[in-house]
Amino acid sequence: DQQVKQNSPSLSVQEGRISILNCDYTNSMFDYFLWYKKYPAEGPTFLISISSIKDKNEDGRFTVFLNKSAKHLSLHIVPSQPGDSAVYFCAIFNTDKLIFGTGTRLQVFP
Amino acid sequence: NAGVMQNPRHLVRRRGQEARLRCSPMKGHSHVYWYRQLPEEGLKFMVYLQKENIIDESGMPKERFSAEFPKEGPSILRIQQVVRGDSAAYFCASSSGLNTEAFFGQGTRLTVV
Repeated sequence: DQQVKQNSPSLSVQEGRISILNCDYTNSMFDYFLWYKKYPAEGPTFLISISSIKDKNEDGRFTVFLNKSAKHLSLHIVPSQPGDSAVYFCAIFNTDKLIFGTGTRLQVFP
Repeated sequence: NAGVMQNPRHLVRRRGQEARLRCSPMKGHSHVYWYRQLPEEGLKFMVYLQKENIIDESGMPKERFSAEFPKEGPSILRIQQVVRGDSAAYFCASSSGLNTEAFFGQGTRLTVV
C-alpha cells in the first residue's frame, strides 16, 4: 500500500511559468511534510517543509501548500528556471521514518 | 548536502561477496536513515538507527542485510552474499530528530556483476 502518491510521473513547463507538483497521502495523522529535489547520480536535496499546523510555507521561489482535509500537498515553483529540471519527491514522516513518493520529473524548457 | 558523507561512491562486487557501505552523519545528528533506490524507482526506506540502536528496520530484507550505528564511527550497511538484484543506489540521511529535515549523502552505487 502506497501511503504517499505522486500521480504525475512527469511535468514539462516553460521557463518563467509556474510549476505545480502534487502529492497525496493516505493517513490524516501525518503531521510533517517535506519536498526534496534530486539530480541524476546525486543524493536528494532538501527544499522545503511544512508542519500540519500550517497550510502554507514559502521560501523564495518555492511555496508548499498543505490541504489537510483533502490530504494533499503541493509545491509551487515560480518562476521556473531551467536549473529546476530534476526529479521532485514529496516525503512524509510516518512515526519514525520518512516515506517518499515515487517522484515527478520536472523539465523546464526555454 | 555535503555534510552527510557516504563512501565509497561506487562499489562493484561479484555475486557472493560482501558489500559494506559507510555513512557519516552531519555533525550533531544522531539519527541515521538508509534508503535504496532501484533503477527507475523511488526511494525505499530500509532502516532507521540512533547511536547503538536499531529503531526501525521494517524496510530491510530479513536475510543478508544488516545495519549498525556504533557509538564511535560511521553507520554501516552490510550486504552479505550479494546478488544481482542488490544492484542499486543506497542513500543515507541524517537528522537531529524526528519531524525535522533529513539531509542526504551523495549515495553509494552498488553494482553486482
